Amino acid sequence: IAGITQAPTSQILAAGRRMTLRCTQDMRHNAMYWYRQDLGLGLRLIHYSNTAGTTGKGEVPDGYSVSRANTDDFPLTLASAVPSQTSVYFCASSDSPENEQFFGPGTRLTVL
Amino acid sequence: GQNIDQPTEMTATEGAIVQINCTYQTSGFNGLFWYQQHAGEAPTFLSYNVLDGLEEKGRFSSFLSRSKGYSYLLLKELQMKDSASYLCAVRDSNYQLIWGAGTKLIIKP
Repeated sequence: IAGITQAPTSQILAAGRRMTLRCTQDMRHNAMYWYRQDLGLGLRLIHYSNTAGTTGKGEVPDGYSVSRANTDDFPLTLASAVPSQTSVYFCASSDSPENEQFFGPGTRLTVL
Repeated sequence: GQNIDQPTEMTATEGAIVQINCTYQTSGFNGLFWYQQHAGEAPTFLSYNVLDGLEEKGRFSSFLSRSKGYSYLLLKELQMKDSASYLCAVRDSNYQLIWGAGTKLIIKP
């Protein structure tokens, strides 16, 4: 059982390029989340999905988009990357918004 | 605005006890979580409080006072492997988690 997987592990990206971070969970959790973690700041919610087919905006959604076509996958897309999007990105899931979240291993993204 | 405050860094000795405090001001309250995050790794769930009082789980305990907007995580019999960051998070009225910046705990032999 893998839990939550994220790909790639790390990526260096030129500014202006499009990038999709992948997240897959095999726990059949309904809710999924994307966070970014920057030094000195707490985790900040980018987008979330409480169930397949629905998505919502978090605290810092600008420049990012998500889709939730099925229960297992929740990709995060940067349409045109900017240096301020350099961060560590964590995907998380929970069986409901009321319960604890389980985190993937993270993707370290550098935008130059 | 919403705010979670934790000390940036703490140092403790192996075998000792340490208390990590967290104060919060959020739009609504639907529970408080503590997570552990080792350097370069993902956060992992430690504890959850929704009612006032102490929750004990092995060497770790977490306390909540909703009237004071205050929680603490108590770690007993510290081990070197407890060196990590400890993240406090509050679930707000929209059932979203608001995270503190984390407390880096350094354990010395």
